[in-house]
Amino acid sequence: SQQGEEDPQALSIQEGENATMNCSYKTSINNLQWYRQNSGRGLVHLILIRSNEREKHSGRLRVTLDTSKKSSSLLITASRAADTASYFCATSTQGGSEKLVFGKGTKLTVNP
Amino acid sequence: DAGVTQSPTHLIKTRGQHVTLRCSPISGHKSVSWYQQVLGQGPQFIFQYYEKEERGRGNFPDRFSARQFPNYSSELNVNALLLGDSALYLCASSLWWGTNEKLFFGSGTQLSVL
Repeated sequence: SQQGEEDPQALSIQEGENATMNCSYKTSINNLQWYRQNSGRGLVHLILIRSNEREKHSGRLRVTLDTSKKSSSLLITASRAADTASYFCATSTQGGSEKLVFGKGTKLTVNP
Repeated sequence: DAGVTQSPTHLIKTRGQHVTLRCSPISGHKSVSWYQQVLGQGPQFIFQYYEKEERGRGNFPDRFSARQFPNYSSELNVNALLLGDSALYLCASSLWWGTNEKLFFGSGTQLSVL
């Protein structure tokens, strides 16, 4: 079963614009991670935010976490054509579970 | 250093057959996890192994099994293949077990069951 739900399912923007993707989840978490996947191949880790953090930055990426609303957002600033990919949030739950639970993903298209 | 390597990259099988997928983790990584990704969905957890022991199992039937070898490489086996087993199978490695920190993924094995 999928824990997270990304919104929107698909997003198309122009180069230079900002892209915002949202993720909602159902149960308490230990941390939340964002991954990128190009053309249905391997996933690449982008950023991790722990349950006691509210915001984190990495280069052009900004992630926020609101545990009271069980939601997170990923902002990509000044997008480039190379950012075209599917983006997934993944949650690590408390209680000793070692698996990551992924959402269905947001497919981002950045038009040159 | 090489990343996570998986073989084969593509595989075509027929219903009822058996398949073995292989994964070599990043050098020094002791934990290997397997995920199944059906087209249009996010990856779903199948197994996690650490130090050759199973540390986690997802909601998959007993037709799915795995093991980890002394060199930390891993195999995923699927018996009695069904059409619904068609998917991208992803292997991921990490240094430790129990932290759910950053996972490093291979490029996957695309399995088609006809």
